Amino acid sequence: TQLLEQSPQFLSIQEGENLTVYCNSSSVFSSLQWYRQEPGEGPVLLVTVVTGGEVKKLKRLTFQFGDARKDSSLHITAAQPGDTGLYLCAGPPKLGSQGNLIFGKGTKLSVKP
Amino acid sequence: SQTIHQWPATLVQPVGSPLSLECTVEGTSNPNLYWYRQAAGRGLQLLFYSVGIGQISSEVPQNLSASRPQDRQFILSSKKLLLSDSGFYLCAWSPGTEGNQPQHFGDGTRLSIL
Repeated sequence: TQLLEQSPQFLSIQEGENLTVYCNSSSVFSSLQWYRQEPGEGPVLLVTVVTGGEVKKLKRLTFQFGDARKDSSLHITAAQPGDTGLYLCAGPPKLGSQGNLIFGKGTKLSVKP
Repeated sequence: SQTIHQWPATLVQPVGSPLSLECTVEGTSNPNLYWYRQAAGRGLQLLFYSVGIGQISSEVPQNLSASRPQDRQFILSSKKLLLSDSGFYLCAWSPGTEGNQPQHFGDGTRLSIL
């Protein structure tokens, strides 16, 4: 069974600090997606990484896909209270996915002003 | 552009009562549709998915069922709710093709069973 493990589970930091959260698997994924979910809302797609070693930037957020396509990281520079939320990584399973995704359990980030 | 609507936003139901949650998608045809449950702001548990009208796949045996009576309508139902059915229910859609497609989520239904 393919699993995506995210760490840390919880992270509480002050505004202006930098942070990195991780998404790891023992399996290879053809791509990984990152979502952010705010309380009481559905997850919203941030980025999809497809190529091993790929780095994508979205303002203060930097996403990296591992060379072996088994892991990914999300780095936030100078975090702001608006970055607060649950960060989920997800990827398509190897066989017969039919559009399904495997989701990690998420990292709950709290940025205090 | 595509939109997804899910209702109601919150629901409080007694144990043993029936349930019907509805989800509709606009602006796309033949989408894949999904129902998830999320406990305590954590990971998503896939309950059902559908690749077409009348085609439902169940991921977890449980007290719930799903139906897709129209191309862009997905319904989650129960005949008799259990306390353990409480949670945050999310509907999502993705383009009806395999591959690295993102999923687009509704705003969820917070279901509380008393």
